[in-house]
Amino acid sequence: GQQVQQSPASLVLQEGENAELQCNFSSTATQLQWFYQSPGGSLVSLLSNPSGTKHTGRLTSTTVTKERRSSLHISSSQTTDSGTYLCAIERSNTNKVVFGTGTRLQVLP
Amino acid sequence: NAGVIQTPRHKVTGKGQEATLWCEPISGHSAVFWYRQTIVQGLEFLTYFRNQAPIDDSGMPKERFSAQMPNQSHSTLKIQSTQPQDSAVYLCASSSGQRDTQYFGPGTRLLVL
Repeated sequence: GQQVQQSPASLVLQEGENAELQCNFSSTATQLQWFYQSPGGSLVSLLSNPSGTKHTGRLTSTTVTKERRSSLHISSSQTTDSGTYLCAIERSNTNKVVFGTGTRLQVLP
Repeated sequence: NAGVIQTPRHKVTGKGQEATLWCEPISGHSAVFWYRQTIVQGLEFLTYFRNQAPIDDSGMPKERFSAQMPNQSHSTLKIQSTQPQDSAVYLCASSSGQRDTQYFGPGTRLLVL
């Protein structure tokens, strides 16, 4: 089965609303990273957060390692936040990075 | 800092031809990763180098795919006898270390006709 599950699959918001994205993974992870993929396809790393809570700008990620889940909170969403958000883990004892299928976010003006 | 550079950005090949994709990691980064992205499979890990040495190629299709890193400034992914199912965006990423933040290149969009 899918090792990294993301929800929701898609999300539509009005500008200014907050977004909450979820990532659940089925194997223990030594690293967890959130990425943003623009509609044009380029991939950008947002946050590395294997455990605890991290903030950067309008983004907050909280990872609960024992429960194998992570969330990404986007506050005061903007139209430029539209794109796909990907969660990726590095499985313990391997070098392999596994990506989730992503959450497609659309922020309307 | 130019970021991770990938060339070409687009490549079209005929079935059975060879395709070589290039990646120049960020200067000073010791880890280089290759991924493939398709609509059906999403993002898939292919292979990983650390200090130019191949560490894990478990994601690479066993036949026709090979990756090398002859020096610290570039890595290549070669696909022999390309097939239509090889059509994908091939992404290269580099990081300071295995578990550090990965920085992705723009990708090479490969289309096999």
